[in-house]
Amino acid sequence: EAGVVQSPRYKIIEKKQPVAFWCNPISGHNTLYWYLQNLGQGPELLIRYENEEAVDDSQLPKDRFSAERLKGVDSTLKIQPAELGDSAVYLCASSFRTGAEAFFGQGTRLTVV
Amino acid sequence: GDSVTQMEGPVTLSEEAFLTINCTYTATGYPSLFWYVQYPGEGLQLLLKATKADDKGSNKGFEATYRKETTSFHLEKGSVQVSDSAVYFCALSPRGSSNTGKLIFGQGTTLQVKP
Repeated sequence: EAGVVQSPRYKIIEKKQPVAFWCNPISGHNTLYWYLQNLGQGPELLIRYENEEAVDDSQLPKDRFSAERLKGVDSTLKIQPAELGDSAVYLCASSFRTGAEAFFGQGTRLTVV
Repeated sequence: GDSVTQMEGPVTLSEEAFLTINCTYTATGYPSLFWYVQYPGEGLQLLLKATKADDKGSNKGFEATYRKETTSFHLEKGSVQVSDSAVYFCALSPRGSSNTGKLIFGQGTTLQVKP
């Protein structure tokens, strides 16, 4: 069974440019999470989806970040415009249901120059 | 708010040495506790978990016991191998009315095992 798939693995962009990350969760997993992991830190939750509904986006900086999960499967996280401080690893995770074990993708490492 | 504190790394050990990575937490109520491991170039993987006080989680020779009285969940292994070299994250998930599946992580501890 395929795990959580994220793309791209690495992205380098100039500041003020837009960027998007894509996540394909494990088949059948209704809950999807986006986490931000700064260098040397643990991941921090950005947003949680139950099917296609964003049920917890309190930590998402809505001035520049947006996310969607169309049809309750794949999800996209977007930053526009990117800032130098956005350089980090963006992790996607999914679980069968809220509270069940979460499985993580390999992450997208973003470098903003 | 809820938080997790791990011991600073890196931790450098020789093969077959005993490992302890300390983890303490602050939380309302009785959270579930987890250890995740991140091998180089890979995503986070669940190593073990415990959902209530005095539970012991174990996997691949690693163990951790949920200690409510000391709010701790220290990770231990009796004999480490070079292949255990990775970053280890302690995490909690609040329960009860705030059960969202959200994970709150510590900052991670890098383990280096030398032959």
